Amino acid sequence: GAVVSQHPSRVICKSGTSVKIECRSLDFQATTMFWYRQFPKQSLMLMATSNEGSKATYEQGVEKDKFLINHASLTLSTLTVTSAHPEDSSFYICSARDQGKYYGYTFGSGTRLTVV
Amino acid sequence: GENVEQHPSTLSVQEGDSAVIKCTYSDSASNYFPWYKQELGKGPQLIIDIRSNVGEKKDQRIAVTLNKTAKHFSLHITETQPEDSAVYFCAAAGNSGNTPLVFGKGTRLSVIA
Repeated sequence: GAVVSQHPSRVICKSGTSVKIECRSLDFQATTMFWYRQFPKQSLMLMATSNEGSKATYEQGVEKDKFLINHASLTLSTLTVTSAHPEDSSFYICSARDQGKYYGYTFGSGTRLTVV
Repeated sequence: GENVEQHPSTLSVQEGDSAVIKCTYSDSASNYFPWYKQELGKGPQLIIDIRSNVGEKKDQRIAVTLNKTAKHFSLHITETQPEDSAVYFCAAAGNSGNTPLVFGKGTRLSVIA
């Protein structure tokens, strides 16, 4: 079935530094990828929709200059958390929709970001 | 936009009993309704899904029902086992390829042995 590989699974960084999270679709082409953030004991909240070759669409309240999304190819989307602060600590999850499988969404395994 | 409500937020059942989780959605254009199981520290795993042209779908101990008129869908787990303990999320999405899933707030299911 469709697989999305997400890396790293865990990362600890210092305040003020930047962290890049990668999501790759391994066996299908992902025209669109979705980035979610999940705080402890809460649901997945959509941050942005990433479209290959164009600018990402951000949800209200999500700072696009802080959460940089690049979707340069049909198999790779990246999320860079810039100038990270402790409040950015969260679980970040990507998802892609396999256009070849009607309605199917596949999720990455998530990245636990801790900013110290 | 779409809004998905999920109830209950927590659910405890005895092993072997059934568990039911209910969700409602607001956008009549939504036509895909998956259910995910999430274990601690992991990404959500699809357990079953249903499309709007179907009223019920079953996969072994898991079933989902959909009422399009009332805009609600439910997850039914029968003969629950301790390994069913996890957080379950319902979600809804429309037909377009760039339509994201909108999630409910989740239900923490505890199966007591």
